[in-house]
This record gives sequence, structure tokens and C-alpha cells, in this order.
Amino acid sequence: EVQLVESGGGLVQPGGSLRLSCAASGFTFSNYEMNWVRQAPGKGLEWVSYISSSGSSIDYADSVKGRFTISRDNAKNSLYLQMNSLRAEDTAVHYCARMGLYGSGTMDVWGQGTTVTVSS
Amino acid sequence: SYELTQPPSVSVSPGQTASITCSGDKLGDKYACWYQQKPGQSPVLVIYQDSKRPSGIPERFSGSNSGNTATLTISGTQAMDEADYYCQAWDNNVVFGGGTKLTVL
Repeated sequence: EVQLVESGGGLVQPGGSLRLSCAASGFTFSNYEMNWVRQAPGKGLEWVSYISSSGSSIDYADSVKGRFTISRDNAKNSLYLQMNSLRAEDTAVHYCARMGLYGSGTMDVWGQGTTVTVSS
Repeated sequence: SYELTQPPSVSVSPGQTASITCSGDKLGDKYACWYQQKPGQSPVLVIYQDSKRPSGIPERFSGSNSGNTATLTISGTQAMDEADYYCQAWDNNVVFGGGTKLTVL
């Protein structure tokens, strides 16, 4: 079964850090581009970050640029998001999502999400 | 930056056809896709490349994209289709619409 499982969320104070992980299984992880997408409480989906299959190409939303770092370990079938200088507006469910072979950023597999809460 | 605009809400009676629009500058020149998200669940891809259905998505879901508007159509809408729907396109990176809450009543 194709699956993505996120972990690492939690409660953190403003200015703090968290590292999210996403474990992939059921497919050849190294063949796929990946994204992080988040959803603030009661709000819509917001794209956060992209990484190519090899990790050589990376991109970020302006809202997180300079604070978040995406990475992957293809040997461990894992995707990561290092989140620094966290703000209240980063409070959201964070999803990892596989970019399928359909192109145009289409994401065909999503994890269940991990919740990040930034509050003092 | 590129923007996609969706109506906040759409209502439909059971068995009728629901249409959800997504507008963006020259959107028809790009591919659009659609995600369904039910409360407390992760998004699910229901349409990709404007009009194609992933395996397992019912035939009542269809899509089109022309000019500045992409449309998700649900024929014979069922109560189980009540959800939030998001359009998405690619413009140097992933762009989502604001989402449409579909109510079946």
C-alpha cells in the first residue's frame, strides 16, 4: 500500500524550532518529487515547499523562505521539514504529499498530516 | 503571484449536478486539478490534467478547463460528496484556490 506518514508536530513557543518527518512506503520514493502543504485551522490549503526527486532542486513559499528547510533521504525513504523561527501564523496541519507523474504539481498521495501549534 | 479564485460555497440538491468554478488568468493554458477534502481528513485527488479521473474516483466527477475558468462537475451528487474542494494549478510552483464548501441539501 502506498503510504505517507508524518510525525514531529507539537506545541512550540514563538521563535522555536521543530523538525517534521514524513516516512514513505509502498513506492519507489527516490523516483518522486515531494511537497509540504499546510492548512491553518479553518483555512484552505497552502503550499509550503517543494523538493525534486534527487533533492537538487528546492523551492519555498515566500511565507517560509529563510526559516524552513526541506530535505530528503532517499536511502531512508524519508522527507523532512526543518522549521525555525516559528510564528503563530505557522500553526497548521502540515501534510507531506507526493507529486505524481501527472505533472503540473499534481499531488496524488497525501499523508494524514501532523499538527504544529505555535503558542506561548 | 498567480491567483486562483473559487466561490466560497456551492449548494446542490441530492441527485442534481453541482458545478464548482476556479478562475485564473489564462488558466486554460495550464493544467488544473481538483482535490476533495472531507472534515478531519487529508485531501484526495479527484481530477487531474483538467479532466482525467484517478483510479477509484467515481465517474460522476468530471472536469473541464478553458479560457480563464476550470470547472469541476459532479453529476448525480450524493450526500457523500459533501466536502471542501480545492483547485490547483502550476505557475512556477504549486498554487491552490481558496476552496469551495459543497453542501448537499
